[in-house]
Amino acid sequence: GDSVTQMEGPVTLSEEAFLTINCTYTATGYPSLFWYVQYPGEGLQLLLKATKADDKGSNKGFEATYRKETTSFHLEKGSVQVSDSAVYFCALSADKLVFGAGTILRVKS
Amino acid sequence: GAGVSQSPRYKVAKRGQDVALRCDPISGHVSLFWYQQALGQGPEFLTYFQNEAQLDKSGLPSDRFFAERPEGSVSTLKIQRTQQEDSAVYLCASSWAGGRPYEQYFGPGTRLTVT
Repeated sequence: GDSVTQMEGPVTLSEEAFLTINCTYTATGYPSLFWYVQYPGEGLQLLLKATKADDKGSNKGFEATYRKETTSFHLEKGSVQVSDSAVYFCALSADKLVFGAGTILRVKS
Repeated sequence: GAGVSQSPRYKVAKRGQDVALRCDPISGHVSLFWYQQALGQGPEFLTYFQNEAQLDKSGLPSDRFFAERPEGSVSTLKIQRTQQEDSAVYLCASSWAGGRPYEQYFGPGTRLTVT
């Protein structure tokens, strides 16, 4: 069945460091891909999405590109802030949303 | 406008008790989803409604789990004879249209602890 694998955390970075969180997927067909973020004490929020191959989703300085050839959707940000500390979930949607296990990001000032 | 709300936010149940978890979706949203999120894991799909019709319940882990949305708005997830393995956060999400790829808006979740 469909599945998502993302890098284990926690990832600990200093403020202004470059962030990459790896995500790969297995799916039949052509799913849409998403990154969701969960800030402490809050619900899941959609961060960005891409609906077809080579699409780049971007929001709040984060970006991810739908790479069909490598079945990947890695999340990147050029300069992280303390306020980016959260849990990040990669997900795909074919007929239902399938989530990865989540990656905790901690940013230190 | 108001987002998705869930109640209660926290629920402690003794093993064997029945529980009912409520979800109020965003007004006008056609689709409603329930997910179960175990500690340290991503959410896992339980069931999906389009209006009042339950179109997919393939993720419900056992026949002790039952969901309804009788008027196509508020939904209730009921768990009968709770077991310790039912301890998790139960998330509700809604979407403005039928069809799965549309953005889903999540509620804060109900944390269920079965003792």
